[in-house]
Amino acid sequence: QQQVKQSPQSLIVQKGGISIINCAYENTAFDYFPWYQQFPGKGPALLIAIRPDVSEKKEGRFTISFNKSAKQFSLHIMDSQPGDSATYFCAAKRSGSARQLTFGSGTQLTVLP
Amino acid sequence: DAMVIQNPRYQVTQFGKPVTLSCSQTLNHNVMYWYQQKSSQAPKLLFHYYDKDFNNEADTPDNFQSRRPNTSFCFLDIRSPGLGDAAMYLCATSGYSPGQGNTDTQYFGPGTRLTVL
Repeated sequence: QQQVKQSPQSLIVQKGGISIINCAYENTAFDYFPWYQQFPGKGPALLIAIRPDVSEKKEGRFTISFNKSAKQFSLHIMDSQPGDSATYFCAAKRSGSARQLTFGSGTQLTVLP
Repeated sequence: DAMVIQNPRYQVTQFGKPVTLSCSQTLNHNVMYWYQQKSSQAPKLLFHYYDKDFNNEADTPDNFQSRRPNTSFCFLDIRSPGLGDAAMYLCATSGYSPGQGNTDTQYFGPGTRLTVL
């Protein structure tokens, strides 16, 4: 019940295209859903996060879509750029400091020039 | 800029030789975490401190210990590193931010890459 399932494992997109990464969760107590971006040799950096009271959140080229009834959320990267090539992790947790983040398995995104 | 700092960025040790990794933060967060991340895998939580309270994950080996002498610093001690402990070790923080109250966001440091020879 603690798992977060992420797909695809790897994704190759042409420059200017849309990258879509999907995650599904089981634990209905989860109420905070962040996406992290990680470049090789670096720590994960928070990209964007959403709570279940909204169905979509957009920040620049990055959008999270959230479907509470289906227990699914996804990251959309519009106008994908080679600089977006990185590993993306979705995660979920219950609100409250120190509660554990449950990570998805990660998606390695490659954006071709 | 407020941030999470890890030292060293790269650490090489010998099989069985104790090693200490350090983390410091200028965010004044009350929660600090240590994660282990192996190649092509998600970060795996080892333990965390809520203020001075230590919380160990059930599957964290006894070989891993931690110390938090004050709010700003946290150390990861690996008492007898094995080849399987070679990984990236990530420190993260979360907690209270002025104007936002308690936040769920975890801020990660750049990591320490540990090599065991």
